[in-house]
Amino acid sequence: SQTIHQWPATLVQPVGSPLSLECTVEGTSNPNLYWYRQAAGRGLQLLFYSVGIGQISSEVPQNLSASRPQDRQFILSSKKLLLSDSGFYLCAWTGGAGDTQYFGPGTRLTVL
Amino acid sequence: GDSVTQMEGPVTLSEEAFLTINCTYTATGYPSLFWYVQYPGEGLQLLLKATKADDKGSNKGFEATYRKETTSFHLEKGSVQVSDSAVYFCANTRAVGGSNYKLTFGKGTLLTVNP
Repeated sequence: SQTIHQWPATLVQPVGSPLSLECTVEGTSNPNLYWYRQAAGRGLQLLFYSVGIGQISSEVPQNLSASRPQDRQFILSSKKLLLSDSGFYLCAWTGGAGDTQYFGPGTRLTVL
Repeated sequence: GDSVTQMEGPVTLSEEAFLTINCTYTATGYPSLFWYVQYPGEGLQLLLKATKADDKGSNKGFEATYRKETTSFHLEKGSVQVSDSAVYFCANTRAVGGSNYKLTFGKGTLLTVNP
């Protein structure tokens, strides 16, 4: 069966520091991968999606970037965090031609 | 563009009460429709889905029917339990190229079930 992992689970970072969040999927190959952010009091916002290694599409211009160095690995990064980057970051995947997205456990990021 | 509107919460019910959470959508074409549930501190779990008009998705006692004529996908459960307390998200999906799909979410409805 397929499993999706995210780490770290919780992160507290100072403003201006770098960020690296990791997402990995097990039990499938060539998944489509997604990064979402859930900010307090706001809905879920799609940040990036990827259909393959090195292929990244950005939905919203912002202070973040994404990379996909391996088939089942998706990384969210920032060079300098802003207060507004605080939130709950969720990774998701779909397989094959399916449109159902399956979510990871999330990373809670607090920028102070 | 696509959008999803769901009833604002919070919704507070007593155990064994009937639940309805309304959801309507706008979309071009024929999107798939989903309900996801988020328990405190956790990621989203797929609750149920429907892929075409008149389909009924069901899981764990929850049901929702894809109503194309009213562009709705209301979530119902006949008898809620304390363990159903969570945030519920309605979503639709559209293709954005190739095998890639974008989910559009509603803002979520917080459900609290009291014993």
